[in-house]
Amino acid sequence: KNQVEQSPQSLIILEGKNCTLQCNYTVSPFSNLRWYKQDTGRGPVSLTIMTFSENTKSNGRYTATLDADTKQSSLHITASQLSDSASYICVVSDRGSTLGRLYFGRGTQLTVWP
Amino acid sequence: EADIYQTPRYLVIGTGKKITLECSQTMGHDKMYWYQQDPGMELHLIHYSYGVNSTEKGDLSSESTVSRIRTEHFPLTLESARPSHTSQYLCASSESSSGSYLNEQFFGPGTRLTVL
Repeated sequence: KNQVEQSPQSLIILEGKNCTLQCNYTVSPFSNLRWYKQDTGRGPVSLTIMTFSENTKSNGRYTATLDADTKQSSLHITASQLSDSASYICVVSDRGSTLGRLYFGRGTQLTVWP
Repeated sequence: EADIYQTPRYLVIGTGKKITLECSQTMGHDKMYWYQQDPGMELHLIHYSYGVNSTEKGDLSSESTVSRIRTEHFPLTLESARPSHTSQYLCASSESSSGSYLNEQFFGPGTRLTVL
């Protein structure tokens, strides 16, 4: 069964600190993995995307890593800001369907305190 | 920023009412999707469309229906709303060509539906 598991479920950090979010998946055949940021009451917005051959991708203070062998990914946030408070969702796409089916994790709810 | 819009953003209605959630995109995308999301839970695909006059049910069974008469418009309808329909509904769209960048889906802001 194709699944995406994220940890931790929630995380509280102080402004300026770094943090790392984890994602494990069993989706096969694998196409790509995205990290989305979803603010409360809003739709998800893509932060990074990685294919099988990529093992790291950065977008400003966000750096994602991918280990396709162990089927694990992480999202590292550097020098957190209050605006980073959101849910971070790991999304894996398979290449076995014309739809480009997406498999969603439940997200990590990040809260940044001043 | 993605050009995909949803209305209304918030809706509170009574049981038994008929409602339509609107979704429009101006990117010319052929594929469109409806997801349902409860707090703290993953998004579940309830409907999708490959293009005009194409609609399919998703992974999660839903009593809602959809239509795709125009490329840019993908409304979702509930004929008789119930409290169990209370949820957030997210619309998304993506390009259809195999050359499109890795099936990226662009999401609308969502509609928060509460059925009393």
